[in-house]
Amino acid sequence: AQRVTQPEKLLSVFKGAPVELKCNYSYSGSPELFWYVQYSRQRLQLLLRHISRESIKGFTADLNKGETSFHLKKPFAQEEDSAMYYCALSRGSRLTFGEGTQLTVNP
Amino acid sequence: GAVVSQHPSRVICKSGTSVKIECRSLDFQATTMFWYRQFPKKSLMLMATSNEGSKATYEQGVEKDKFLINHASLTLSTLTVTSAHPEDSSFYICSARSTGGRSTGELFFGEGSRLTVL
Repeated sequence: AQRVTQPEKLLSVFKGAPVELKCNYSYSGSPELFWYVQYSRQRLQLLLRHISRESIKGFTADLNKGETSFHLKKPFAQEEDSAMYYCALSRGSRLTFGEGTQLTVNP
Repeated sequence: GAVVSQHPSRVICKSGTSVKIECRSLDFQATTMFWYRQFPKKSLMLMATSNEGSKATYEQGVEKDKFLINHASLTLSTLTVTSAHPEDSSFYICSARSTGGRSTGELFFGEGSRLTVL
């Protein structure tokens, strides 16, 4: 069965500090992984996907198959990055979400 | 990007009544829509996959007679919570996959519907 684990429910950093949101997965096949973000009072939206290997809003995430991880990183956090972040794994059209990490960036 | 809209955003009903939640793709057609349920401070749990013109596919443990899904058109899927009870109170979110343009394949989410059963 596929499973996504985000070990940190809450993460607080200061503006300008590096931030890393952890995500580990278990899946027997070839995974397709995503990070979704939900800003306060807004709907869930796609932040980035591993197959794109892109940087969105300064965030990057690298798939590490050896460690079965897909951690989300940003070298310099901004206050507007404060949000709920969900890691998700796709099997076909079905998404399995982690429990989410609430990131707070303090001024 | 594409827009998915849910209605109502909030609904309060009495125990034993049925409630219908609509999910619409506003500027694209969606042959497949997904219904999720989110408990407080918990993850989104996939309930069912709604297929246009055919029966929905329910996840294990989700009662199909309790949560009726109808996907009558390429832009509308409905979730009806039948004979609602307080334990059905939750945040229900739908999503739809875009099938064209730059965002092909991307999943877009509705704003969610909060159901409170008294």
